[in-house]
Amino acid sequence: DGGITQSPKYLFRKEGQNVTLSCEQNLNHDAMYWYRQDPGQGLRLIYYSQIVNDFQKGDIAEGYSVSREKKESFPLTVTSAQKNPTAFYLCATTGSSSQTQYFGPGTRLLVL
Amino acid sequence: GQQLNQSPQSMFIQEGEDVSMNCTSSSIFNTWLWYKQDPGEGPVLLIALYKAGELTSNGRLTAQFGITRKDSFLNISASIPSDVGIYFCAGRIYRDDKIIFGKGTRLHILP
Repeated sequence: DGGITQSPKYLFRKEGQNVTLSCEQNLNHDAMYWYRQDPGQGLRLIYYSQIVNDFQKGDIAEGYSVSREKKESFPLTVTSAQKNPTAFYLCATTGSSSQTQYFGPGTRLLVL
Repeated sequence: GQQLNQSPQSMFIQEGEDVSMNCTSSSIFNTWLWYKQDPGEGPVLLIALYKAGELTSNGRLTAQFGITRKDSFLNISASIPSDVGIYFCAGRIYRDDKIIFGKGTRLHILP
């Protein structure tokens, strides 16, 4: 079964805790992206990576960190510096020859 | 920065009616994408447009890439209950790494 997987589906964070959201793809796509979606809002870009071991900040990178050690994986860490982390987080990919973007099923992060 | 203005923000229609929504920008785009998002799920790509003037259909859905390359519209014909959801437009400027998204059109179908 090919595609983009995100885990977990729901994640709970305690105050002051760092949490990591997983994004894995077996599409052999070069570029990967992380978006945040708040209720009734559009998608805001957090970080993106065009190639392994390289990534760039998006529009709302503060309080987040990423790594891209493997082509298939682009984990997102929500740090304690992110004071309003409750949101729906979406991972997406784009192939090198494609101009279209494909999304994973999302992770909903809630604060306890 | 570049922005996409998507309208309407929400729509309430009767089952069987046709639907039309659009996105406009002051910037020129080389790609227009239309997505549908169901509650609690990731957006699913409906239609991709790559050339000015292009008109593409996917079942009851039809989308067009505006001649000026600054706009696009999506039409849904004969709406059915499963059409309910949020529709997003998105655009990519030539050789830009990022895709810009509209804020979505929320479609409601009245019983």
